[in-house]
Amino acid sequence: DVKVTQSSRYLVKRTGEKVFLECVQDMDHENMFWYRQDPGLGLRLIYFSYDVKMKEKGDIPEGYSVSREKKERFSLILESASTNQTSMYLCASISGGLRNTEAFFGQGTRLTVV
Amino acid sequence: DQQVKQNSPSLSVQEGRISILNCDYTNSMFDYFLWYKKYPAEGPTFLISISSIKDKNEDGRFTVFLNKSAKHLSLHIVPSQPGDSAVYFCAASARNDYKLSFGAGTTVTVRA
Repeated sequence: DVKVTQSSRYLVKRTGEKVFLECVQDMDHENMFWYRQDPGLGLRLIYFSYDVKMKEKGDIPEGYSVSREKKERFSLILESASTNQTSMYLCASISGGLRNTEAFFGQGTRLTVV
Repeated sequence: DQQVKQNSPSLSVQEGRISILNCDYTNSMFDYFLWYKKYPAEGPTFLISISSIKDKNEDGRFTVFLNKSAKHLSLHIVPSQPGDSAVYFCAASARNDYKLSFGAGTTVTVRA
C-alpha cells in the first residue's frame, strides 16, 4: 500500500512564527503536491514538485515556500504564519510512470494560527 | 477561477436509495477525471476515475458517467449506505500534466 505520512495531525502556531509541515511518501513517486482545504473552496493547490530540487507554484503560493531535497520528502514552509493560513493542509503524491493514475493523500494537518 | 465546479454543496439521501453527485468543468484540456471521498480529519481517498476516451466506468456500487460535449460528469452511488456519508470531491487533470484541479465538494448525508 502506498503510504503518504504527514508529520503532524494538529498544530497550533502563533502569528509570525515560521512553520514547517513535513510529508513523506514511501512509494518512490516522482510527483508531490501540497493543497489546502477550506470550506466551500475545496482543495486548492499551493505548490508541487515533479522531481528532486524542483518546485512549481500552484494556484495560491503566496505566503508559502517548499523544499524537496530528497525524492520521498516534500516540505511546506509558512515563512511568517498568519491567521488566514489557518486551514487543513494535505500532501499528495502520484507516480510519474503512468498518466491517468490517482493521487494518494496523507491524513492531513489541521493548522490553527492564533 | 475554479475550473472544476460542484454546484451542490450538500445532498441528503435515504439509505438504500441512489445518490447522484454532479460536477462540471471548463477546461477542454482535461482528459482524466476522478472522485475522492473524505471523512472529517482524514485525507481524501480515491474512489473511482474515468478517462476521456470512455463515457462510463463502474466499480461495485459506484458508477461515473462522463459527457464530454457538456463538460459534465456525475457519480452514482447505488444503493447508498450510512458509511457513504462524507464529502465527495470531483477532480480533473489535463493532458501531459499530473496535477489535479478539485471542485468545492459535496457533503453527502445518508439517512437511516
